[in-house]
Amino acid sequence: DAMVIQNPRYQVTQFGKPVTLSCSQTLNHNVMYWYQQKSSQAPKLLFHYYDKDFNNEADTPDNFQSRRPNTSFCFLDIRSPGLGDTAMYLCATSTGQTDTEAFFGQGTRLTVV
Amino acid sequence: AQKITQTQPGMFVQEKEAVTLDCTYDTSDPSYGLFWYKQPSSGEMIFLIYQGSYDQQNATEGRYSLNFQKARKSANLVISASQLGDSAMYFCAMREGISGTYKYIFGTGTRLKVLA
Repeated sequence: DAMVIQNPRYQVTQFGKPVTLSCSQTLNHNVMYWYQQKSSQAPKLLFHYYDKDFNNEADTPDNFQSRRPNTSFCFLDIRSPGLGDTAMYLCATSTGQTDTEAFFGQGTRLTVV
Repeated sequence: AQKITQTQPGMFVQEKEAVTLDCTYDTSDPSYGLFWYKQPSSGEMIFLIYQGSYDQQNATEGRYSLNFQKARKSANLVISASQLGDSAMYFCAMREGISGTYKYIFGTGTRLKVLA
């Protein structure tokens, strides 16, 4: 019954080796978000899509890219991961309407070694 | 500037007691939404409760209630009859932006530990 699914749950990658995290949703929501959450910190918004319109946060490093090929799927690409990119990456969706919450996936724990 | 402030890094509560988790926010938008999420050690963010800025009454969802004081810009979460399974991180969040481009901004969280 999972509505927002992230794969993989755990990922270990080498310093500088590109990595892709995926997110899929069965809710048919217009908006998809990617958050980065480092240990004991608040989730930090990296970017979000409203349909195909991409919105990048001003302080998101260029190393992070995203793709949304269709309504159901969204990908986070890290082109050259650094040790500081070790974090939990959370995908979320929402309808984009007022008074609605964001629905989160279980997250991907990324470790850069 | 911090938009969501949670001043309690950690809290303890005895099982079956009530606990209040603090949250203050900063916005100049007349229309906004406030949310509380629970994050267990597994990592998933679980939605608990929502309060809209125009709502006249405090939101309630089962054992969760939100003490909304608009003039003070506070939206504290009250958990009644705490259970061991309530031990987790709790995040206050605010929705900002305009319809279609809403973003959810989170506080730094409060780690709650329920004691048997």
